[in-house]
Amino acid sequence: SQELEQSPQSLIVQEGKNLTINCTSSKTLYGLYWYKQKYGEGLIFLMMLQKGGEEKSHEKITAKLDEKKQQSSLHITASQPSHAGIYLCGAAKAAGNKLTFGGGTRVLVKP
Amino acid sequence: DGGITQSPKYLFRKEGQNVTLSCEQNLNHDAMYWYRQDPGQGLRLIYYSQIVNDFQKGDIAEGYSVSREKKESFPLTVTSAQKNPTAFYLCASTPRQGDYGYTFGSGTRLTVV
Repeated sequence: SQELEQSPQSLIVQEGKNLTINCTSSKTLYGLYWYKQKYGEGLIFLMMLQKGGEEKSHEKITAKLDEKKQQSSLHITASQPSHAGIYLCGAAKAAGNKLTFGGGTRVLVKP
Repeated sequence: DGGITQSPKYLFRKEGQNVTLSCEQNLNHDAMYWYRQDPGQGLRLIYYSQIVNDFQKGDIAEGYSVSREKKESFPLTVTSAQKNPTAFYLCASTPRQGDYGYTFGSGTRLTVV
């Protein structure tokens, strides 16, 4: 199965600072999904990347997929307390196929 | 509104008991999935089903069972054979075609007492 490595495992940032989370795959990614999770809750879909070199943004969150489609990064600009949570990357081998997840990155934003 | 409903939100199980977690979706999605999440970790796939009356084992199926008699429903039974069932369980669904992402339920936290 596809292995996904996320780094860092946890991150503490001062409010207003930027942060970056990485997700690396051992195999070529068909679809790379980013989710956010509040503790004890379900996953909220953020973005899905499919094409090499693709970049998507939503509000202050930007995600990129590298040209070789084996690494993705999630970047948050000017972090706010509302950005705190667990960020998970997931990958599928094909559309509608099962998702494999990385270990997650726990983000804490200090006011 | 369309979505996935998991129930109950909290569940307590005694040693040796079987318990069933409910997952219902009204999104008309073909595929449904069960994941387990342990503290500080990512999600691991237990079982999945891409069509009614068919399902496949995921990475950690031992001690679990599922059924898919209706498109809308995909219940998960945690059997007494599961040695360490205390965890957060998440259900998800997706259309079989297209890149619409995977919709997740709000989860069930199971604790063995």
